[in-house]
Amino acid sequence: QKEVEQNSGPLSVPEGAIASLNCTYSDRGSQSFFWYRQYSGKSPELIMFIYSNGDKEDGRFTAQLNKASQYVSLLIRDSQPSDSATYLCAVKVINDMRFGAGTRLTVKP
Amino acid sequence: EPEVTQTPSHQVTQMGQEVILRCVPISNHLYFYWYRQILGQKVEFLVSFYNNEISEKSEIFDDQFSVERPDGSNFTLKIRSTKLEDSAMYFCASSESRFERGYTGELFFGEGSRLTVL
Repeated sequence: QKEVEQNSGPLSVPEGAIASLNCTYSDRGSQSFFWYRQYSGKSPELIMFIYSNGDKEDGRFTAQLNKASQYVSLLIRDSQPSDSATYLCAVKVINDMRFGAGTRLTVKP
Repeated sequence: EPEVTQTPSHQVTQMGQEVILRCVPISNHLYFYWYRQILGQKVEFLVSFYNNEISEKSEIFDDQFSVERPDGSNFTLKIRSTKLEDSAMYFCASSESRFERGYTGELFFGEGSRLTVL
């Protein structure tokens, strides 16, 4: 089974705070890990990818990967109202990418 | 910027009818995918396609579904005898290559085709 689990939320944070999103996956053969953002009625758009253990930073976003724990997270610093969306964790095994159910984030002004 | 395009953006059909959803992947991409998202639910993998054949499919992708790359640019999803529960947004995606170090393996998504089965 190729399961990707996320807390569905909703997660609500005040503007300027850090939002922390978590994801676990079941397939130890998973090779790469992605965070997508999806606005209501729109298609997913890539925020970050990571494939090595540790942290990867890109602007206000930091992805963290722990393969031993089969855990991926996304931190959003200085959260903005425009960050309000559903965040999808996606895990790729060779040619198959599976998505979690998504965490709905609301950033309140 | 290159993009994945999908048509139609919205299709309404009667239960039992056949539907074809069309996609034009990014031109230098080699891997093609179909996903679906029932309203309010997760993005679900249907099928991946490479080198003119299915490389992987999910348990959702049963005999009712088929995919085809009829020419060098289009990638289609056919749903035979549609059911009410096929109502969903269908996303086509493409990626440049199999995941390798140095490549993201990122999927680029089209805007989706909303299918409504009455």
